[in-house]
Parts: sequence; structure tokens; C-alpha cells
Amino acid sequence: DSGVTQTPKHLITATGQRVTLRCSPRSGDLSVYWYQQSLDQGLQFLIQYYNGEERAKGNILERFSAQQFPDLHSELNLSSLELGDSALYFCASSVDFGRAGTDTQYFGPGTRLTVL
Amino acid sequence: AQSVTQPDIHITVSEGASLELRCNYSYGATPYLFWYVQSPGQGLQLLLKYFSGDTLVQGIKGFEAEFKRSQSSFNLRKPSVHWSDAAEYFCAVGSIIQGAQKLVFGQGTRLTINP
Repeated sequence: DSGVTQTPKHLITATGQRVTLRCSPRSGDLSVYWYQQSLDQGLQFLIQYYNGEERAKGNILERFSAQQFPDLHSELNLSSLELGDSALYFCASSVDFGRAGTDTQYFGPGTRLTVL
Repeated sequence: AQSVTQPDIHITVSEGASLELRCNYSYGATPYLFWYVQSPGQGLQLLLKYFSGDTLVQGIKGFEAEFKRSQSSFNLRKPSVHWSDAAEYFCAVGSIIQGAQKLVFGQGTRLTINP
């Protein structure tokens, strides 16, 4: 158990809908990262928040957004869902935002999203 | 751009045999390297990491990895595998973008253990 929690574990929805995925970081960690794992793209970095502020963006679609709240939990919002958004979404956390590159990210169990 | 290549998509070994999973990276600066393992239906668990110093790194579950700068490699090894090692293994390089770190992952190697 990494100490990172994600809810829900599974989510099934229809195209065009909007969903929210939730992540609670390890105690003491200020950074939260979101990754998408799909069969064709592999594990892709989406976005990072540090202490409530966006720090870095990766391959995140405009239909997707995230935020980190004062209690440091984070939510990933996915809207206008398409079949291709079906994937496993991971949250990770670390103490710092990786300014020195030596931060270690600890991953949650993931949320499996199925878009029908 | 930084990238990670895991040449073997799927490897099968017998229980008790030795294991080596290959990882090659492309990164202009000093690489920060990681190996993660993903068991079926589970999240990613950190096995080990390399930042600097001794190029042979020990991790959990009896795994080790060796950083070879000249070959841009960070191969994962285990002298004797157990059936519980069956999983998918991911190599990653930590890169700095916009002043913050992101992980770039390889495509993963699926390990099957024969009894």
C-alpha cells in the first residue's frame, strides 16, 4: 500500500458524459500527478499540481482539467467523454515538485474508466 | 526528447531462473531512473531508483539494477524469480520540464513465470 488513495476504483459511463476522479496523496506529500494508461499510448503524464497550484502539463486534452484543493486532495475532471478516453487513470504523489529531479512518485491503485 | 525503450514486450522464465529486463533511455542530462512493477489490477509499485553514486542499485523483493551510462541502459535483474514476480515491469526516466519533474515511461515488459 503506497498511501495514495483513488476513488472510484471503476467507472462506467457513456460518451458525451462528464466524470470526476478523486485522489488523496500520501500524508505529507504536496505534489499530485495524474497519468493515463491505455493500451495504445502506454503510461502518459497528464498534469501535476504542487500545493494547490498547477506545476506542469503533459499530454492532457482540453476536455480534461484538474485541481488540487487546500487539503491537498486532487480531482481530475474528464468531460465530453469519447470511447478513446477509456483507460486506467493513475494518481501519484511526492513530497516536492521535483525541482532537483530526485523526487520519488508513489502511485495509487488507479481508476479504470470505461466509456461506452 | 527524452524517451525510454523496453525492447522486450513479453518475457517468460521458469521459476527459480535468473531474470534480466532491459531498459534503454534517451535523455540529454543526468538521468534519474526508476523501475516500477504493476501486478494485475494493481497500481504501480516502486522497485528501485537511481539518482547518482553507485551504479548498482538494490531494490525491494530481491531486485537490482545497473546503470550503464556508456550504453544508456538501466537493466533490471533478479537472480532467482518466484511465481509472485509475474507482473508488468516499467522503466521510467525522470525529466525536468517547466521546472518540475515528470516521469517518462517505457512501454513495459510483461513477465510470465513457468512453474
